[in-house]
Amino acid sequence: DAGVIQSPRHEVTEMGQEVTLRCKPISGHDYLFWYRQTMMRGLELLIYFNNNVPIDDSGMPEDRFSAKMPNASFSTLKIQPSEPRDSAVYFCASRTRQGNTGELFFGEGSRLTVL
Amino acid sequence: SQQGEEDPQALSIQEGENATMNCSYKTSINNLQWYRQNSGRGLVHLILIRSNEREKHSGRLRVTLDTSKKSSSLLITASRAADTASYFCATGRGSNYKLTFGKGTLLTVNP
Repeated sequence: DAGVIQSPRHEVTEMGQEVTLRCKPISGHDYLFWYRQTMMRGLELLIYFNNNVPIDDSGMPEDRFSAKMPNASFSTLKIQPSEPRDSAVYFCASRTRQGNTGELFFGEGSRLTVL
Repeated sequence: SQQGEEDPQALSIQEGENATMNCSYKTSINNLQWYRQNSGRGLVHLILIRSNEREKHSGRLRVTLDTSKKSSSLLITASRAADTASYFCATGRGSNYKLTFGKGTLLTVNP
């Protein structure tokens, strides 16, 4: 089975531009998470969805960040306008509730550089 | 806020030696998980230990949990160069599904 798929793997953009990161979770997983990883702050949970509904977006840093999950197989994280401090690796992860093992399955990440 | 904090931040050992990494956390938890991250890759789940368990094994991995001290350790026995990676602990609590990660231990296994 395919794992969590993220695109793009690398994105370089200029300050002020809109950035859209995409994620396809593992089929059948009903939870989807967006994390951000930086050297300074480590892994931070931005937002998570259950059955396509946002449950907790308390980690979203600013109104410039927004996330959507229009269906069970697709989610986007958008930054508009982007700033240099948004440079980080953004991870999408998914999991199932069955068995309540808690294991998260991560994608390979999208490395964002804002110049 | 960060829940788990790993110690040490970096560890360098020779192939064949054992590697021990520690994790401390602040509040009560339901379970604690360990993940590995190879450079430039996503995190991979290694093992989960529940709050009512004290020790768990999986292959060359041994995890302990001391809820009275709010700490956990991950032992990798007979390390290999391929074990070189960052290792993170993550804690889950309550009925929600949020996992909080520490900043990780960078393990380097020299051949």
